[in-house]
Amino acid sequence: EAGVTQFPSHSVIEKGQTVTLRCDPISGHDNLYWYRRVMGKEIKFLLHFVKESKQDESGMPNNRFLAERTGGTYSTLKVQPAELEDSGVYFCASSQQTGPQETQYFGPGTRLLVL
Amino acid sequence: AQSVTQLGSHVSVSEGALVLLRCNYSSSVPPYLFWYVQYPNQGLQLLLKYTSAATLVKGINGFEAEFKKSETSFHLTKPSAHMSDAAEYFCAVSSYGGSQGNLIFGKGTKLSVKP
Repeated sequence: EAGVTQFPSHSVIEKGQTVTLRCDPISGHDNLYWYRRVMGKEIKFLLHFVKESKQDESGMPNNRFLAERTGGTYSTLKVQPAELEDSGVYFCASSQQTGPQETQYFGPGTRLLVL
Repeated sequence: AQSVTQLGSHVSVSEGALVLLRCNYSSSVPPYLFWYVQYPNQGLQLLLKYTSAATLVKGINGFEAEFKKSETSFHLTKPSAHMSDAAEYFCAVSSYGGSQGNLIFGKGTKLSVKP
């Protein structure tokens, strides 16, 4: 069974540019999460999809970030325009169900550097 | 609000020695607690989780953790370190009493294993 995949693995862009990160969850997982780790800080929750709907987007930093999940399958996270403080590692995770039995499976992350 | 504190950003042990990684949590509702490990250039992998069943939780690769409500702790241990255990370890808390399934992470502890 394929795990959670993320693309690209690394991205280096200049301030003001746009970047789109992609996450492909494990097949059949309705829940999809985005997290971010800024260097030296903890991993922080950004948002949670259930199928194609946003269940919780309380962690999104500001309106420069836009997440979508087309047809409840893969998800994209667009940053437009990117700022220096957006640099970090963006993780995607997926799971079959929420609740005590939930296990979130993480992808390898996308390392974003904004210059 | 929930939070997690991991004591020690870096821990170094000798091969064969006891591994002890500390995690304290704060939660106003019964917590669900997790330990994840991240090996270089890989995603986060679940080591073990506590979901209010047995207080001593056994995980993969010989790791275990004990939930101590009186101390609000969930420390991770392994009796004998192996070189392959060198990685970064994250403690996380979640609450399924509410609607959120998102994880709240500590800052991580990097474990080094000396030969």
